Amino acid sequence: SYVLTQPPSVSVAPGKTARITCGGNNIGSKSVHWYQQKPGQAPVLVIYYDSDRPSGIPERFSGSNSGNTATLTISRVEAGDEADYYCQVWDSSSDSGVFGGGTKLTVL
Amino acid sequence: QVQLVQSGAEVKKPGASVKVSCKASGYTFTSYGISWVRQAPGQGLEWMGWISAYNGNTNYAQKLQGRVTMTTDTSTSTAYMELRSLRSDDTAVYYCARWDSSSSGTPFDYWGQGTLVTVSS
Repeated sequence: SYVLTQPPSVSVAPGKTARITCGGNNIGSKSVHWYQQKPGQAPVLVIYYDSDRPSGIPERFSGSNSGNTATLTISRVEAGDEADYYCQVWDSSSDSGVFGGGTKLTVL
Repeated sequence: QVQLVQSGAEVKKPGASVKVSCKASGYTFTSYGISWVRQAPGQGLEWMGWISAYNGNTNYAQKLQGRVTMTTDTSTSTAYMELRSLRSDDTAVYYCARWDSSSSGTPFDYWGQGTLVTVSS
């Protein structure tokens, strides 16, 4: 089965840029989606199809995907961005959804 | 606006079954699929399976095969997830999420609020 690997935690100072990676075998050939989850809340889609933003998501959120790594980038980080972030793809061989293990973003 | 509203929290004994509902509104129910995702306490998201609300086709995560059944009632725009032979490690928050089943690789664009299922003797 397809495996996605994320760092357990990332820390960043307010106003700086946070980068959260998602590794997978030839992930650049897949569509990657990113979700933000705050404590006690359901996940929210923040980036889809590698780099598209749903309406209502700030432009500070962006994404890229190439080779074996997809990256979620959050510019000018704010305290309100503190959350868990998950990447997700579909494993076409089994038509199954796959999530990364999640990354806890801490705003210092 | 699109909404997915799930049923309330459940407490079950080991070996029992649970059925969680997810009522959709704000869109044409049969034009999308529903996936179920669970999250054990303090853990990450685990995809459980999907159902097409258009034709009822399903696909379940291999580890849950034989214990899980996903169904829909198009007359009420409601999706259901039943999990049988519950174990303590099934204790989790269960989410339903909408996805475009007509295309490949689509995201989960709307989520239910989650249903806590606790399995305890």
